[in-house]
Amino acid sequence: GNSVTQMEGPVTLSEEAFLTINCTYTATGYPSLFWYVQYPGEGLQLLLKATKADDKGSNKGFEATYRKETTSFHLEKGSVQVSDSAVYFCALLPGSNYKLTFGKGTLLTVNP
Amino acid sequence: NAGVTQTPKFQVLKTGQSMTLQCAQDMNHEYMSWYRQDPGMGLRLIHYSVGAGITDQGEVPNGYNVSRSTTEDFPLRLLSAAPSQTSVYFCASSYRGGSGNTIYFGEGSWLTVV
Repeated sequence: GNSVTQMEGPVTLSEEAFLTINCTYTATGYPSLFWYVQYPGEGLQLLLKATKADDKGSNKGFEATYRKETTSFHLEKGSVQVSDSAVYFCALLPGSNYKLTFGKGTLLTVNP
Repeated sequence: NAGVTQTPKFQVLKTGQSMTLQCAQDMNHEYMSWYRQDPGMGLRLIHYSVGAGITDQGEVPNGYNVSRSTTEDFPLRLLSAAPSQTSVYFCASSYRGGSGNTIYFGEGSWLTVV
């Protein structure tokens, strides 16, 4: 079956530090890959996505590249801000159906 | 365009009570689904629907019922609430599945069963 594994948190960084949150997946075929973000007390927001190998999704300074050879979709940001403190979820959507499979989420805390 | 609307946002239930979480979308999406979010578990699929009149079970369906009488609405029913159903519930919708599609989420419903 499909699965997503992302690095366990919590991750605590200082403002302006570099962020990497690792995500690897198992799926048949050619899934789409997503990063969702959940700010405290709020719902899920789509942060970025990639639909095929070597695609790079980007938004709000965050980036992730779809690496089929390593089945990875790591989230990166060059300089985090306090406002980036949130829970980040990696997810995949198989090409054959409508069901998202999520990782367990990574809590990021950025201190001033 | 309201997107995906969930109500209520917060609810406290007593064990054994029943309730319905409402979900509506105004994007004419075929696919709708319900997820629950628990600490350290990510989001898990409860039930989903690929169109009016068609529903199916997801990963964790026990204790929940759904129906899809219209394209717009997809309510989630808890028939006899249990403390294990304390969670955050998200409704989602999309136009179609598969590569390139975007799934839209509601803002969540925080449910506590005491």
